[in-house]
Amino acid sequence: DAGVIQSPRHEVTEMGQEVTLRCKPISGHDYLFWYRQTMMRGLELLIYFNNNVPIDDSGMPEDRFSAKMPNASFSTLKIQPSEPRDSAVYFCASSLGDRGREGEAFFGQGTRLTVV
Amino acid sequence: DQQVKQNSPSLSVQEGRISILNCDYTNSMFDYFLWYKKYPAEGPTFLISISSIKDKNEDGRFTVFLNKSAKHLSLHIVPSQPGDSAVYFCAAFQTGANNLFFGTGTRLTVIP
Repeated sequence: DAGVIQSPRHEVTEMGQEVTLRCKPISGHDYLFWYRQTMMRGLELLIYFNNNVPIDDSGMPEDRFSAKMPNASFSTLKIQPSEPRDSAVYFCASSLGDRGREGEAFFGQGTRLTVV
Repeated sequence: DQQVKQNSPSLSVQEGRISILNCDYTNSMFDYFLWYKKYPAEGPTFLISISSIKDKNEDGRFTVFLNKSAKHLSLHIVPSQPGDSAVYFCAAFQTGANNLFFGTGTRLTVIP
């Protein structure tokens, strides 16, 4: 398996524009996580899915953020409208949950988002 | 509110010496603790973990110690090597909830 695949790797957009980040988890993994990395807060858990169902979205900072997982092989994180303070690296990760080593998640390479 | 905290943003050690990275947590429901390692432009990768029923887990040069009463864990790297230079994230996990919370990370630099 190629691992968790995220696209794009880099995104530069203007304030107010819609941004969509994409993720393809590892095949067979039941859990998918979206994280945001910032200097101040490290890796923040935004939302996670189990079998395509959102389980906990309490980390989503505002209503401008939304995430979907229409099927087991694809998820999106959308920001609309985007703001400069959304600039960060966004990571997607997947895991086997209870079928794997506890807590072990596999991360993509991240999307570096810059909102100007 | 940060449930997992790493109070040292950076650490520098000489090659061959011991590196000690520290982590504190607040949620007593966590039952697994993990360390992840991250190189620039890559995602974090799993390094080592420990169950809450243990106080030590060793894997080669890496040892994780857990003090449940203090809600504190640490990662020891002995001997440190230049290739260990990376950002290390502490993480905590609650079985059943299957969430995974990370700290802010500690940047380790091993000086040759």
